[in-house]
Amino acid sequence: GENVEQHPSTLSVQEGDSAVIKCTYSDSASNYFPWYKQELGKGPQLIIDIRSNVGEKKDQRIAVTLNKTAKHFSLHITETQPEDSAVYFCAASSPGGGADGLTFGKGTHLIIQP
Amino acid sequence: ETGVTQTPRHLVMGMTNKKSLKCEQHLGHNAMYWYKQSAKKPLELMFVYNFKEQTENNSVPSRFSPECPNSSHLFLHLHTLQPEDSALYLCASSTRTSGLYEQYFGPGTRLTVT
Repeated sequence: GENVEQHPSTLSVQEGDSAVIKCTYSDSASNYFPWYKQELGKGPQLIIDIRSNVGEKKDQRIAVTLNKTAKHFSLHITETQPEDSAVYFCAASSPGGGADGLTFGKGTHLIIQP
Repeated sequence: ETGVTQTPRHLVMGMTNKKSLKCEQHLGHNAMYWYKQSAKKPLELMFVYNFKEQTENNSVPSRFSPECPNSSHLFLHLHTLQPEDSALYLCASSTRTSGLYEQYFGPGTRLTVT
């Protein structure tokens, strides 16, 4: 089955700097890669996703890149703000897998230092 | 708000109690999911329902019993739980049949087993 590794587990950056979270996956058939943000006391919220037919997607200060050859994808947050502090999860989806094939990483606790 | 609600938000129960968690989605989705979120572990898929039919059961102990009376409501019946079952239980929904993979999560129920 699919295995998703996520690094780092904790990331502390100064407000205004950029943050990068990286994930690798094992199943070359995976074709959908969402990112979720989870704030304290809330459920995970989908913030951006990318499908295997594109290499990069951007939404304001958030971007995701995908390298299918290397089987890794990354979340980039620019001009970080205090409200970006949260736990971020990556996931990968394999066609025909359970729950639409979503396998999650362990999460990255992003801390924005004022 | 994601359109997925869960009640109760917090639950404390003894090992001999019977309780139920409820999830409702207002998004017109066809698939619903139960996940378990424990500290420092990836989200663990428990059950999947598609059009009210259970399509996935990830080796979950029988002390957890799901019920999906219609595509908008999902229950998780709990009985004779163990302290290690204490966790955040998350419900999610998606438009599985459309080929889209986006899953939308509720806020979760924080369960403590004493």
